[in-house]
Amino acid sequence: SQQGEEDPQALSIQEGENATMNCSYKTSINNLQWYRQNSGRGLVHLILIRSNEREKHSGRLRVTLDTSKKSSSLLITASRAADTASYFCAVAQGGSEKLVFGKGTKLTVNP
Amino acid sequence: DTGVSQNPRHKITKRGQNVTFRCDPISEHNRLYWYRQTLGQGPEFLTYFQNEAQLEKSRLLSDRFSAERPKGSFSTLEIQRTEQGDSAMYLCASTKLNFGIDTQYFGPGTRLTVL
Repeated sequence: SQQGEEDPQALSIQEGENATMNCSYKTSINNLQWYRQNSGRGLVHLILIRSNEREKHSGRLRVTLDTSKKSSSLLITASRAADTASYFCAVAQGGSEKLVFGKGTKLTVNP
Repeated sequence: DTGVSQNPRHKITKRGQNVTFRCDPISEHNRLYWYRQTLGQGPEFLTYFQNEAQLEKSRLLSDRFSAERPKGSFSTLEIQRTEQGDSAMYLCASTKLNFGIDTQYFGPGTRLTVL
């Protein structure tokens, strides 16, 4: 069963605007990761945040993690048309570190 | 390109046929994962290997599915007697176990269509 749940399911913005996606999960985690997937392609790793971290930055990406609320957010600043993709959060669980994904947020950035 | 390769990229087969997919992970990565993704959904875990040992299998992995990783290098996923419900994208990921903080690097996937 899928555990990470992204919100919103779809988001359409204009180039230059910021995009915020949220993720909620149900159980304790080792870490939380965000991935991007262009239509019909493989997943590209964006950023990993450990369970003892609260915020992390990478270029135009900012990720927050609130373990008390079991939620995370991904902020993409100054969006570009090339950011158009589906974004997934995934939580790593157990000794296997298998990833449990949500259904994703489909982001459309209009030029 | 993450360095993880999968072949073939696309496979169309008739119901009842057997298919085999291959994944070549990043060379120094000791863990290899298989996931399945259907349209509009996130990937779902199928199984994983640490070196050549298959350590966990999902309940999604029926007995028609078998995976191997001989010598801890490449891996194969075979589906016997395919069904239309097997149509999906099959994704492989690899990682190097590093104190439990692992980034999984995904391949481009094999898209299976069962007619």
